[in-house]
Amino acid sequence: GAGVSQSPSNKVTEKGKDVELRCDPISGHTALYWYRQSLGQGLEFLIYFQGNSAPDKSGLPSDRFSAERTGGSVSTLTIQRTQQEDSAVYLCASSLGLGGGAGELFFGEGSRLTVL
Amino acid sequence: SQKIEQNSEALNIQEGKTATLTCNYTNYSPAYLQWYRQDPGRGPVFLLLIRENEKEKRKERLKVTFDTTLKQSLFHITASQPADSATYLCALDMNNAGNMLTFGGGTRLMVKP
Repeated sequence: GAGVSQSPSNKVTEKGKDVELRCDPISGHTALYWYRQSLGQGLEFLIYFQGNSAPDKSGLPSDRFSAERTGGSVSTLTIQRTQQEDSAVYLCASSLGLGGGAGELFFGEGSRLTVL
Repeated sequence: SQKIEQNSEALNIQEGKTATLTCNYTNYSPAYLQWYRQDPGRGPVFLLLIRENEKEKRKERLKVTFDTTLKQSLFHITASQPADSATYLCALDMNNAGNMLTFGGGTRLMVKP
């Protein structure tokens, strides 16, 4: 696609349910990032993929959070047993992932998660 | 610990004036710094990247400076317009490996006609 696509755009769930958020990066971008943005707050780094590999998962808030990327393309962020504090906008970004730094990140419009 | 600080208070300026936003960082020496714009309900959009060996960079009405001694970047919008109203975020690659772009909290700019 022309840009980074995220789905669903909005998700309302009950506490304790599992949710899956999907990110479809720009074709050819090898690097993919997940961030979380709570209301009125900055972006919190969650995880980064280079290809299908996530070298550093320390940004994930708890073991209820997991992410995977397959085929060097689509990524899924899964939150198990959701809690109200998980409510936020989850942003995905991709970049060319060339050496010398992250370069320009292209963000999707985010998935807004509300846990009741 | 490493920190990125932006003024959390909104900056209100009159149309036509120059807006100046500040990004300070501590305990770190980044190879480059980026600035993004974020509109309400949207994802951030990349504006400019400046490297540590560049003192200043310009793009149309935007100008970014990078002072590695002061550990500070300034973001200027000249001849500001109401359409420039948004939140502006600075970001640093905290380990210079290209895999952890960390963002400041952002500064909201309001340009009044």
